[in-house]
Amino acid sequence: KAGVTQTPRYLIKTRGQQVTLSCSPISGHRSVSWYQQTPGQGLQFLFEYFSETQRNKGNFPGRFSGRQFSNSRSEMNVSTLELGDSALYLCASSSSGTGNVLTFGAGSRLTVL
Amino acid sequence: GIQVEQSPPDLILQEGANSTLRCNFSDSVNNLQWFHQNPWGQLINLFYIPSGTKQNGRLSATTVATERYSLLYISSSQTTDSGVYFCAVGAGGTSYGKLTFGQGTILTVHP
Repeated sequence: KAGVTQTPRYLIKTRGQQVTLSCSPISGHRSVSWYQQTPGQGLQFLFEYFSETQRNKGNFPGRFSGRQFSNSRSEMNVSTLELGDSALYLCASSSSGTGNVLTFGAGSRLTVL
Repeated sequence: GIQVEQSPPDLILQEGANSTLRCNFSDSVNNLQWFHQNPWGQLINLFYIPSGTKQNGRLSATTVATERYSLLYISSSQTTDSGVYFCAVGAGGTSYGKLTFGQGTILTVHP
């Protein structure tokens, strides 16, 4: 069974640009959650999607957005990048049948210059 | 929101030693998971344990929900156990995939 796949793994952008990250969940998992990890703030919840609907949202500015497709794949987008957006972005998928146990992907490491 | 505190922040061991990591949380939870983050950043789920006790090889975990804490035990530690250990909790009936993470315990195991 394939795990959670995140692409790209590494990327470098400049301030003001935008970025789109992709996450393919484990087959059969309908929930996808996104987290941001930085040295200063640790792991913080961004948002969660279930059946193409945003089910939960963290405390991030509107520059951070996401969506989920009918095949449960999810994308997150960050517009007007700032230096502070440099982080490891982690995606996790879960199945309600297993008590919302999160399985994480390897992450996308974003560097903003 | 719910607060999660992990202790100790850092732990240095010799191979073969045992250790206990603690996670305190400020409110009732319906989801509690322990994760190990390896040097490449991958978060590996160790336990889903909102209450009770579980064991998996050299690792075991206990959550006392009524007292709002969880413990992760590592026995006979190995160098491959090095990394950061996170406790994460979910509170409220609609938390689902929304977890609040502690700041982590950095474990270093020397040969």
